[in-house]
Amino acid sequence: GENVEQHPSTLSVQEGDSAVIKCTYSDSASNYFPWYKQELGKGPQLIIDIRSNVGEKKDQRIAVTLNKTAKHFSLHITETQPEDSAVYFCAASQKTGANNLFFGTGTRLTVIP
Amino acid sequence: DTAVSQTPKYLVTQMGNDKSIKCEQNLGHDTMYWYKQDSKKFLKIMFSYNNKELIINETVPNRFSPKSPDKAHLNLHINSLELGDSAVYFCASSQDPRWGEAFFGQGTRLTVV
Repeated sequence: GENVEQHPSTLSVQEGDSAVIKCTYSDSASNYFPWYKQELGKGPQLIIDIRSNVGEKKDQRIAVTLNKTAKHFSLHITETQPEDSAVYFCAASQKTGANNLFFGTGTRLTVIP
Repeated sequence: DTAVSQTPKYLVTQMGNDKSIKCEQNLGHDTMYWYKQDSKKFLKIMFSYNNKELIINETVPNRFSPKSPDKAHLNLHINSLELGDSAVYFCASSQDPRWGEAFFGQGTRLTVV
């Protein structure tokens, strides 16, 4: 089955700096890679996703890159704000949908004001 | 309006008891899921239902029995609770198992004592 590794497990940045979270996956058949943000006491919420036919996708301060050859993908948050503090999860799936998502172990991001 | 709601939010019970967690979605989605998040924040799918039919059943003890009375509801019943069942259980839904974003509920923190 798929195995998704995520690094780092914790990340602290100063407000305004950039944050980068990296994930690797093992199954070359995976073709859908969403990122979820989980705030304290809440369920994960999709913030951005990328499909295998695209190398990069951007949405305002958030961007995701995908390297299919190396089987890794990354989340980039620029101009971080205190409200970006949360746990972020990457995931991989063989289908462009939510069925059988394999999640990474999460990164706790803290943005220091 | 809450899109995916699950009750209760917290559940503390003794070993050996039987308990249920309820989930409802008002998004008109066809597919619903149960995920388990352990103490290290690792998220793993347990079950997936599409139009009330079970389509994914990961390696979960048969003490866990999901029930979907209609496609807007997916309840989780757990028999003979064990200490290792303590976790946060998330319900989620998506338009279709093959595509579309997964929307998560706020989670149910189950503590078995």
